[in-house]
Amino acid sequence: NAGVTQTPKFRVLKTGQSMTLLCAQDMNHEYMYWYRQDPGMGLRLIHYSVGEGTTAKGEVPDGYNVSRLKKQNFLLGLESAAPSQTSVYFCASIKNRGTVHEQYFGPGTRLTVT
Amino acid sequence: AQSVTQLGSHVSVSEGALVLLRCNYSSSVPPYLFWYVQYPNQGLQLLLKYTSAATLVKGINGFEAEFKKSETSFHLTKPSAHMSDAAEYFCAVSKMISNFGNEKLTFGTGTRLTIIP
Repeated sequence: NAGVTQTPKFRVLKTGQSMTLLCAQDMNHEYMYWYRQDPGMGLRLIHYSVGEGTTAKGEVPDGYNVSRLKKQNFLLGLESAAPSQTSVYFCASIKNRGTVHEQYFGPGTRLTVT
Repeated sequence: AQSVTQLGSHVSVSEGALVLLRCNYSSSVPPYLFWYVQYPNQGLQLLLKYTSAATLVKGINGFEAEFKKSETSFHLTKPSAHMSDAAEYFCAVSKMISNFGNEKLTFGTGTRLTIIP
């Protein structure tokens, strides 16, 4: 099992450009999450999904969109990148309801917006 | 609402000394509590978790934490610091997401641990 993987690992964007971050898990997990990590702020939830075809907003959803067309993939999109979106992005997953104590994290994507 | 507060964004200890990283939680219901460690340029690794079983929880790498309901605390300790313990540590609490149950983690702001040789 590869666990949770994220693509790409690093990316530099110019303001206004768009991109999609891919999170993939091979553990048949139902729930998936996107977080951003900023210095002094810990991890903050952007969006999450409780199953294929469903998504919901987290704490800081503005400027991001997500899709969960396949159970194993959770995509995070930035339609028009802004410098405030410079961050490290982590994806995570859990098997299903009641298993938040078994949350698996991906290795992260470091995004810089200039 | 459930949240955690980590006291001290930076902690320095000498090699061999006691490590104490503080975490206080607020929760209206019995929480699940977690400590994660993040080494430079890496993802998060679970150190230990409290899920309402024993109040003293032992984790990996010699770390442990004690759930104290009366103090609403879940401090992380290690008797003797090692150079390899230098990292950032995050406390987290599970939080209700609308009607889905305890399915979301809320993280503290992190504590960077430096080990002095």
